[in-house]
Amino acid sequence: GQQVMQIPQYQHVQEGEDFTTYCNSSTTLSNIQWYKQRPGGHPVFLIQLVKSGEVKKQKRLTFQFGEAKKNSSLHITATQTTDVGTYFCAGNNDMRFGAGTRLTVKP
Amino acid sequence: EAGVAQSPRYKIIEKRQSVAFWCNPISGHATLYWYQQILGQGPKLLIQFQNNGVVDDSQLPKDRFSAERLKGVDSTLKIQPAKLEDSAVYLCASSLVGGLAEQYFGPGTRLTVT
Repeated sequence: GQQVMQIPQYQHVQEGEDFTTYCNSSTTLSNIQWYKQRPGGHPVFLIQLVKSGEVKKQKRLTFQFGEAKKNSSLHITATQTTDVGTYFCAGNNDMRFGAGTRLTVKP
Repeated sequence: EAGVAQSPRYKIIEKRQSVAFWCNPISGHATLYWYQQILGQGPKLLIQFQNNGVVDDSQLPKDRFSAERLKGVDSTLKIQPAKLEDSAVYLCASSLVGGLAEQYFGPGTRLTVT
C-alpha cells in the first residue's frame, strides 16, 4: 500500500532561522495535504496541492508538490515561536499520514 | 460554525473492557473519518464513511473495533475488548466530500488502557 515518509523527524531551530520538512511517497499521489498539530492539540488543515509542480504560499510558508507527484515540501521562512508544532503530510489517495516533523523554536 | 464534537475527552479503562466514542461532525459534512493517533506518530485512518456507507475500513482491526454512522450524521467507534496497545488518541474528522476536501478534526478522545 501507499507509504508516506517524512524527514526529518525532529527539527530544532533558533527563532528567525528557516525550516523545511520533506514528504516522500512510494507511489504517485493524486494530491497531498499538509496539517499542523500544536502540542496537545488536534491536526489543523494548512493546504492542499493537486497539480504536478504546484507551488503555493501562505505568508511565510511555501508548499511544493513534485513534478512526479511523489514528493512534497513545506518551507517556513524566518521561524517564529508560534510555528512550534508537528507538521504532517497526508497522501490523499487513502489519507495515509506521514509520521510528522516536530518543530521546536528557541526564542 | 460549530466544529467537530467528540466525547468523552478522556477515558481510562482496564484491558478486556469495552469502550465507545462518539463524534458529531460539522453540519452538512458528508464524509466522516476516525483516526487512531499513538503518541509520537501520525494519525492512522481506521475508517471512512461517506454519508452512512463505509468507503474504507482496511486498517480497522475488525476483530475488536467497530464503527457505525447509522443516519449519516453522528458516529460511534467501539472497542471490545480493549488491549494495552489501544492506548491512543482517537480523532474524528469530517469533510464536505471525500478525496479532495480539507478535513476538520475534533479535539479527540484520549484513551488509556491499563
